[in-house]
Amino acid sequence: GQSLEQPSEVTAVEGAIVQINCTYQTSGFYGLSWYQQHDGGAPTFLSYNALDGLEETGRFSSFLSRSDSYGYLLLQELQMKDSASYFCAVTVSGNTGKLIFGQGTTLQVKP
Amino acid sequence: NAGVTQTPKFQVLKTGQSMTLQCAQDMNHEYMSWYRQDPGMGLRLIHYSVGAGITDQGEVPNGYNVSRSTTEDFPLRLLSAAPSQTSVYFCASSPTGEYNEQFFGPGTRLTVL
Repeated sequence: GQSLEQPSEVTAVEGAIVQINCTYQTSGFYGLSWYQQHDGGAPTFLSYNALDGLEETGRFSSFLSRSDSYGYLLLQELQMKDSASYFCAVTVSGNTGKLIFGQGTTLQVKP
Repeated sequence: NAGVTQTPKFQVLKTGQSMTLQCAQDMNHEYMSWYRQDPGMGLRLIHYSVGAGITDQGEVPNGYNVSRSTTEDFPLRLLSAAPSQTSVYFCASSPTGEYNEQFFGPGTRLTVL
């Protein structure tokens, strides 16, 4: 089977740093993506890691360790608008782009 | 560009009814997919397509049919609606299967009574 594990909820204060972890067990692995979804909205792409290491995009960074089947999303200088659900997703097929999603982490940012 | 569009936004069906959820994209993307999202859950892949005339099953295909006659459109058909199909349905597209980012439509909120 395919499984992705991430915490269900995380709470942090404005201006802080938060890390959302994701561990995966999948039949194939081509890369790990992160998506953000505000309540009732469409998921939007944040980052993608195919190789081990850290990718930085503004306040957001994403890390991958293929040997540990593990990745994380790091959000810095948290803002109230960062309150949303965050999903990790594994590309399990290289030529079809088939994505398997985790169940999501709800991030609540408090003043 | 309108991006990925989905119609309708909301739909209520009775058990046993059939209907088609529409999805269209104007970005000339080859790859399109359908997901369902249940409350507090992640997205589960229903069906996907890597190009016109080519479709394949995802994680939860039972009860749904798809076809891809053009690059732009990828409709999802519910053959005989069941309460278990109450969910939010998202369509997504990307330039190719290998492209990292998928672009999602606004979703269709379906209730089956």
